[in-house]
Amino acid sequence: DADVTQTPRNRITKTGKRIMLECSQTKGHDRMYWYRQDPGLGLQLIYYSFDVKDINKGEISDGYSVSRQAQAKFSLSLESAIPNQTALYFCATSDFRGELFFGEGSRLTVL
Amino acid sequence: DQQVKQNSPSLSVQEGRISILNCDYTNSMFDYFLWYKKYPAEGPTFLISISSIKDKNEDGRFTVFLNKSAKHLSLHIVPSQPGDSAVYFCAASVGGGTSYGKLTFGQGTILTVHP
Repeated sequence: DADVTQTPRNRITKTGKRIMLECSQTKGHDRMYWYRQDPGLGLQLIYYSFDVKDINKGEISDGYSVSRQAQAKFSLSLESAIPNQTALYFCATSDFRGELFFGEGSRLTVL
Repeated sequence: DQQVKQNSPSLSVQEGRISILNCDYTNSMFDYFLWYKKYPAEGPTFLISISSIKDKNEDGRFTVFLNKSAKHLSLHIVPSQPGDSAVYFCAASVGGGTSYGKLTFGQGTILTVHP
């Protein structure tokens, strides 16, 4: 089983719909992240959390929100999806040394 | 403003030869650099890293070189193998410690190693 699990793996939705991407981890790490990958742009940090009570915005947080329900769970929400949020989304964890462990990704298409 | 740039979208190399992937950065505050490898339908996986206090770090077939004055780093793979075919991302962070994990990524370079 994967150490970092993302659900759903693929989702097609319509403009204006609310979408939640979920992430759970079994690595026991305190730090969790949401990144977005677009072609030609690499990965960009959306939100990060260093523990359950700590939530921080990344480079591109507009249009997104997150919830850290437990040490092992970190979900990303799009309150009203728009087409330019079509992307591949990655959840990641890290320990204090900072090496990121990524999930397999969630491909979101907004029509 | 792209603070970490990988100007070669793709690289094709013969098996057994050296692969050299390049990365340039503009933020002089970056002090920790990493390379990640990504296969299709998988998340990126950590490959190798280097602190700004070093100019070289080696791990088996993989060596990363850092030239701080030129704000340039490179990843050398010797010898290249077909299983190395993947997308390679360069990444950087500032300040270490609590900044670890908050990475700025380059656009990625697709490496293809031909048998």
